[in-house]
Amino acid sequence: EIVLTQSPGTLSLSPGERATLSCRASQSVSSSYLAWYQQKPGQAPRLLIYGASSRATGIPDRFSGSGSGTDFTLTISRLEPEDFAVYYCQQYGSPYQLTFGGGTKVEIK
Amino acid sequence: QVQLVESGGGVVQPGGSLRLSCAASGFTFSSYGMHWVRQAPGKGLEWVAFIRYDGSNKYYADSVKGRFTISRDNSKNTLYLQMNSLRAEDTAVYYCAKPGEPITVYWYFDLWGRGTLVTVSS
Repeated sequence: EIVLTQSPGTLSLSPGERATLSCRASQSVSSSYLAWYQQKPGQAPRLLIYGASSRATGIPDRFSGSGSGTDFTLTISRLEPEDFAVYYCQQYGSPYQLTFGGGTKVEIK
Repeated sequence: QVQLVESGGGVVQPGGSLRLSCAASGFTFSSYGMHWVRQAPGKGLEWVAFIRYDGSNKYYADSVKGRFTISRDNSKNTLYLQMNSLRAEDTAVYYCAKPGEPITVYWYFDLWGRGTLVTVSS
């Protein structure tokens, strides 16, 4: 099983700042099959990025994903008030298998 | 409207059973394999189970194998999760989730329901 480690656990930033979230895999993720989700309190996760860098439908272009192999990054170029939430990465590089990272909370500084 | 709506959660004693449902609308349900994913209070996401679009194949997390059964009724556009021998550690919000592509063994999720809370407690 591929273990995903997200860092930092909490990111304290102000609106307008740039957020950089990391997701590191215990082994290489095949075909860059890495997704990112946003979750707000009391809500379901929302798909942001799939295939490491493809934005899901309706996702603003301030969200971008990058990386390959074992190191992946989600970048929010300029934080909007609605972006403060928990973010999860998820790998799906092996058939019939997937795992989630432990999450990064982006909070208002 | 494309949506998933879960129901059936509640409070159950350890060792008890519960059946969750997920009603799908706005997409061709019978073309997609479907999943259950859960989230314990204050914790991260854990994949639980998958069923192929036609119900012919099913996969489970080791933590629920032998206790939970996933099924579907394509005539009713509904997904189910039968949970038996429930334990305290099964306490979580249970989400049904649709994969981003119809026929694939590589799963990410582009549609989630709002979830239903299952509490296992005496």
